[in-house]
Amino acid sequence: AQSVTQLDSHVSVSEGTPVLLRCNYSSSYSPSLFWYVQHPNKGLQLLLKYTSAATLVKGINGFEAEFKKSETSFHLTKPSAHMSDAAEYFCVVSDIYGFGNEKLTFGTGTRLTIIP
Amino acid sequence: GAVVSQHPSRVICKSGTSVKIECRSLDFQATTMFWYRQFPKQSLMLMATSNEGSKATYEQGVEKDKFLINHASLTLSTLTVTSAHPEDSSFYICSADGTANTEAFFGQGTRLTVV
Repeated sequence: AQSVTQLDSHVSVSEGTPVLLRCNYSSSYSPSLFWYVQHPNKGLQLLLKYTSAATLVKGINGFEAEFKKSETSFHLTKPSAHMSDAAEYFCVVSDIYGFGNEKLTFGTGTRLTIIP
Repeated sequence: GAVVSQHPSRVICKSGTSVKIECRSLDFQATTMFWYRQFPKQSLMLMATSNEGSKATYEQGVEKDKFLINHASLTLSTLTVTSAHPEDSSFYICSADGTANTEAFFGQGTRLTVV
């Protein structure tokens, strides 16, 4: 069984300051981990993914995340927040489901608010 | 990246009617598609896994007779909400696995409002 815990339901930061969105996971297998972003009334966009390669993963829009197996964490960071970063962020863990396809388990989401 | 198109993006229907939502993979073949439901301010919950040419696999608690899923081709899966009720109002999102099953691509979502 797999699960994801996003530790903060809401994070507010000032524009230009660092962003940290926290995520812890549990998985019976070597997991693949993802961060998705959802803007209002839009679908989900993949920010980055970890699939057992480098533990520090760089994604789009300046985001990155570090896979720490000892801490079972996959926190999302960005050095300097931009107003356009305001959105809902989901941490996702995947497992093999059935015929080699991935079953995704979503965290409850973190709403990021950027203060001008 | 690969593109998944979902249609319609928004639909309003009367109670008791049925609504069909389409999910298409535009530039790749998807043997497996997933249907999710998202309640306001909540996460996505997997409803069912749709496999081309076979019956869908539903998650526990999801009524298969109410949420009919058809995956007739490698590029199209449909979700039909039958006899819709106001409590079915939600945001429905589909996804499809890309090549080598390394990433899921999501549609834009469909906001269903049942009045």
